[in-house]
Amino acid sequence: DAKTTQPPSMDCAEGRAANLPCNHSTISGNEYVYWYRQIHSQGPQYIIHGLKNNETNEMASLIITEDRKSSTLILPHATLRDTAVYYCIVRVVGGQAGTALIFGKGTTLSVSS
Amino acid sequence: DTEVTQTPKHLVMGMTNKKSLKCEQHMGHRAMYWYKQKAKKPPELMFVYSYEKLSINESVPSRFSPECPNSSLLNLHLHALQPEDSALYLCASSQVSWRVETQYFGPGTRLLVL
Repeated sequence: DAKTTQPPSMDCAEGRAANLPCNHSTISGNEYVYWYRQIHSQGPQYIIHGLKNNETNEMASLIITEDRKSSTLILPHATLRDTAVYYCIVRVVGGQAGTALIFGKGTTLSVSS
Repeated sequence: DTEVTQTPKHLVMGMTNKKSLKCEQHMGHRAMYWYKQKAKKPPELMFVYSYEKLSINESVPSRFSPECPNSSLLNLHLHALQPEDSALYLCASSQVSWRVETQYFGPGTRLLVL
């Protein structure tokens, strides 16, 4: 799986958009970008994934550059409950379940009022 | 329902004790995982079970012994642990849909070895 690079920490004011960047310059054509987050002392939570098109769900939006070498996770209106470590993970498209997640250090997002 | 449950939530054990961690999911997922997470570090993979067979063992010491009695249950048997084994132990399960695999994690068991 390709390596990812994320800033170690970011701050965001409550109600503002949080934009979390991720570099994955060695990503290959059959690899998806996944985002998970981990709120303190809880298990990681799936947020969103994408291949090459921008994606949106009820939690967040994912913007992937045209060359696929980087992406941005957007939380449109951050709340205090969004304070967490956010992990960007690149993984090969799989056929059968059983491919483990390889977590990097992630970005610690702190949302303040 | 996308819930993975883990028991107990907290566990304190001595180095000579034998204990077990339990994980359960009823989503029909056929892959289940154990991860270990030390404080302020990302989760690290320990074991993967696929269709109730151990498919990956990340060179974990034999004092950790996984077991998958059926497709919904995953156990982690602990024996003769060391204080450095104190950590959050996370269980996960996954499914593949439209070639995309999504993992769902339990809340973890926080283990303290004295």
